[in-house]
Amino acid sequence: GQSLEQPSEVTAVEGAIVQINCTYQTSGFYGLSWYQQHDGGAPTFLSYNALDGLEETGRFSSFLSRSDSYGYLLLQELQMKDSASYFCAVRGDTDKLIFGTGTRLQVFP
Amino acid sequence: KAGVTQTPRYLIKTRGQQVTLSCSPISGHRSVSWYQQTPGQGLQFLFEYFSETQRNKGNFPGRFSGRQFSNSRSEMNVSTLELGDSALYLCASSLSGQGSEQYFGPGTRLTVT
Repeated sequence: GQSLEQPSEVTAVEGAIVQINCTYQTSGFYGLSWYQQHDGGAPTFLSYNALDGLEETGRFSSFLSRSDSYGYLLLQELQMKDSASYFCAVRGDTDKLIFGTGTRLQVFP
Repeated sequence: KAGVTQTPRYLIKTRGQQVTLSCSPISGHRSVSWYQQTPGQGLQFLFEYFSETQRNKGNFPGRFSGRQFSNSRSEMNVSTLELGDSALYLCASSLSGQGSEQYFGPGTRLTVT
């Protein structure tokens, strides 16, 4: 089967850096995505990694290591508006996008 | 470009009833996927439609069904509702399917009493 593990909750203060990890087990692997969801809102796409390494988009970066079946989302210069749930998602050879259970990030002033 | 729209936004139904949810994708997107979101369970994949054909299906009972029309609009139907079906139902559209960026609608909050 396919499964993803990520921490249920992470807290940090404004201006800090936080890393949200995601480990996955899939048969086949095509890529790891990250989505952000604010309370009451729809998930929105943040990043996608198909190859090993770091992808940077502004304050957010995402990393993938296919050999370790592991990735992370790095958020820098945290702002209050970054308080949200973050989901990693993997597409394996079933061609379904499987989501993790989400990490709730709380940013404090 | 208009985003993904879902109707209705909120729905209250009684056990045993059936419900139909609607999703209009972004113009030009041919793939529509449906997800069930419940607290602690994340997003559970229901099914994906592409050009009016069901391309993939998650592990949900046959009470959950869907279809897609020629204009890419999609509907999801749940028959014989159970209390456990209470959830946020999200649809997402994309250009080519599960391998491309998913654009989510605001969801339909279904409460079964």
